[in-house]
Amino acid sequence: QVQLQESGPGLVKPSQTLSLTCTVSGGSISSGSYYWSWIRQPAGKGLEWIGRIYTSGSTNYNPSLKSRVTISVDTSKNQFSLKLSSVTAADTAVYYCARSVIAAAAPFDYWGQGTLVTVSS
Amino acid sequence: QSVLTQPPSVSGAPGQRVTISCTGSSSNIGAGYDVHWYQQLPGTAPKLLIYGNSNRPSGVPDRFSGSKSGTSASLAITGLQAEDEADYYCQSYDSSLPWVFGGGTKLTVL
Repeated sequence: QVQLQESGPGLVKPSQTLSLTCTVSGGSISSGSYYWSWIRQPAGKGLEWIGRIYTSGSTNYNPSLKSRVTISVDTSKNQFSLKLSSVTAADTAVYYCARSVIAAAAPFDYWGQGTLVTVSS
Repeated sequence: QSVLTQPPSVSGAPGQRVTISCTGSSSNIGAGYDVHWYQQLPGTAPKLLIYGNSNRPSGVPDRFSGSKSGTSASLAITGLQAEDEADYYCQSYDSSLPWVFGGGTKLTVL
């Protein structure tokens, strides 16, 4: 059973960089069959896809966040990470990591439990 | 504003049937891309409920069903139960993004 677990600071100051890591267990992130994504959800609001990475390191980002987002992968640790720079209060949200197969419009079949990140001074 | 449009809320009494719509356009659902549905119980991560328009993952009761036609998709829940009270999201592909979500629909069981 694949499991994903987010980790990282729960509080980030405005203008700083938000950094989160997703650790994958029960399967290899290097299997080559999946995209690994970050998705966020502000309190009381809907889901927003942030970006994805393939095991090769190839990335795609949501155009609305592209200038501030970096997603990387560490296959030796079976982890992938999110960095979001120049954060503001609008970036306060629960951040999820998730997996999908490599196919157009594929669903997210496994999700992490989510981690709340609050942007505040 | 979400690329996919869902009603903010729906409600039904136990045992009844409810449907949740997901309306897109020619750049997403209407282009033939699959629609998926997620159930999000309070305080938890979304859970895949329907994939590929009408397929249920293992363990999802057959009370849940999905369909797609033209630029829209629907999720139907029959024999409504109290435990079905949750937020429901549709998801698809759009020419502007690999993944787009609906704004979510809150289901209240009366």
